Amino acid sequence: DSGVTQTPKHLITATGQRVTLRCSPRSGDLSVYWYQQSLDQGLQFLIHYYNGEERAKGNILERFSAQQFPDLHSELNLSSLELGDSALYFCASSRAVGGEAFFGQGTRLTVV
Amino acid sequence: EDQVTQSPEALRLQEGESSSLNCSYTVSGLRGLFWYRQDPGKGPEFLFTLYSAGEEKEKERLKATLTKKESFLHITAPKPEDSATYLCAVRNAGNMLTFGGGTRLMVKP
Repeated sequence: DSGVTQTPKHLITATGQRVTLRCSPRSGDLSVYWYQQSLDQGLQFLIHYYNGEERAKGNILERFSAQQFPDLHSELNLSSLELGDSALYFCASSRAVGGEAFFGQGTRLTVV
Repeated sequence: EDQVTQSPEALRLQEGESSSLNCSYTVSGLRGLFWYRQDPGKGPEFLFTLYSAGEEKEKERLKATLTKKESFLHITAPKPEDSATYLCAVRNAGNMLTFGGGTRLMVKP
C-alpha cells in the first residue's frame, strides 16, 4: 500500500458527461501528480500541483481541469467526455517538488 | 522534448535465467531517473531512484545502474513473482516526469 488513495476505483459514464476523480496524497506529501494510462499510449503526464499551486502541465486537454485543496487532496475534473477518454487515471504524490513519486491504485474510467 | 525508450518491449525468461532491461533517455536537465514495477490493473510501485552517472542501487534480485544516456535494470535469477511491467521515467529541470513504454517481463517456472 503506497498510502495514496484514489476514489472511485471504477467509473462508467456516458459520452458528454462530467466526472470528478479524487486523490488523497500520502501523509506529509505536498506534491500531487495526475497521469492518464491508456492501452496505446502508456503513462501520460497531465498536471502537477505543489501545496495548492499548479507547477507543471503536460498533455492535458482543455476539457480537463484539476485543483489541489488546502488539505492537500486533489481532484481531476473531466468534462464533455468522449469514448477516447476511457483509461486508467493515476494520482501520485511526493514529499517535495522533486523526489520519488508514489502512485495510487488508479481510477478506471469507462466512457460508453 | 524529453524522450524515454525502453527495450525490449517484452521479455520471456525461464526461472533463474538472468537478464537486463534497457532504458535510453534524452532529457533537459536530469533531476532523477526512476524505475517502477507495475502489475496489471494496479498503480506503479516505486523501485529505485538514480541521480548521477555511475550510481547503482540494489533491491533483492534487482539492480539498477545509470550512465549519461541510459539505465539498466538487471534481474538476477528471476522468479515467477517478478513477472510484471517495468517502467522507467526521467524527471527534468521543470519537474516533469516522463515515462517510457515499459518492458513486460514474463518469468516461467
